[in-house]
Amino acid sequence: EVQLVESGGGLIQPGGSLRLSCAASGFLVSNNYMGWVRQAPGKGLEWVSVFYSGDITYHADSVKGRFTISRDNSKNTVYLQMNSLRAEDTAVYYCARVGGTYRGGWALDIWGQGTLVTVSS
Amino acid sequence: DIQMTQSPLSLSASVGDRVTITCRASQSINSYLNWYQQKPGKAPKVLIYDASSLQSGVPSRFSGSGSGTDFTLTITSLQPEDFATYYCQQSYSTPPWTFGQGTKVEIK
Repeated sequence: EVQLVESGGGLIQPGGSLRLSCAASGFLVSNNYMGWVRQAPGKGLEWVSVFYSGDITYHADSVKGRFTISRDNSKNTVYLQMNSLRAEDTAVYYCARVGGTYRGGWALDIWGQGTLVTVSS
Repeated sequence: DIQMTQSPLSLSASVGDRVTITCRASQSINSYLNWYQQKPGKAPKVLIYDASSLQSGVPSRFSGSGSGTDFTLTITSLQPEDFATYYCQQSYSTPPWTFGQGTKVEIK
């Protein structure tokens, strides 16, 4: 079965660090674009980080310098290292596979269940 | 970054109604436009990709159209399970492949 399972969320104090994990099954993360999208409570979807075009990474301006996406192909897992966390980073974090479309676009075709990160003292 | 603007941001409709949601890009994105449905407490799922292609398993009452900067998601004959929030997302060029603000479809 093709699926993504996230883990690692929780309650963390401002300034703290967390590492989110996203374990894939049914496909290889090494052969796919993989990304993290977050959703603050009651808000819309926001790109956080993505691996694309090989090992090129993108990080949103709001997390640049604080968050890092990485992957361990031997474990078929993608990670999001989050440092210097702020209250505004509170959100559900989703891992997603970014699949190519017939016309050359990209769509998030497989999503994990999400993991909640709460940054609060 | 390319900005995506959806309208309306919310709407009320009845079962059986035809519903139309629009999405406008701040520049031409050709047909690199996807639509997602999200229900409360759940991850989004892709409904339409490449502006008009129906994702496998998605009911045919969902359809998408448009190219360039203006796009539409249409639900013919709204069903109870269609009450959700819908997002458009562009995938033109390189990241960030931005999302629209979302449109919440509620029961009238």
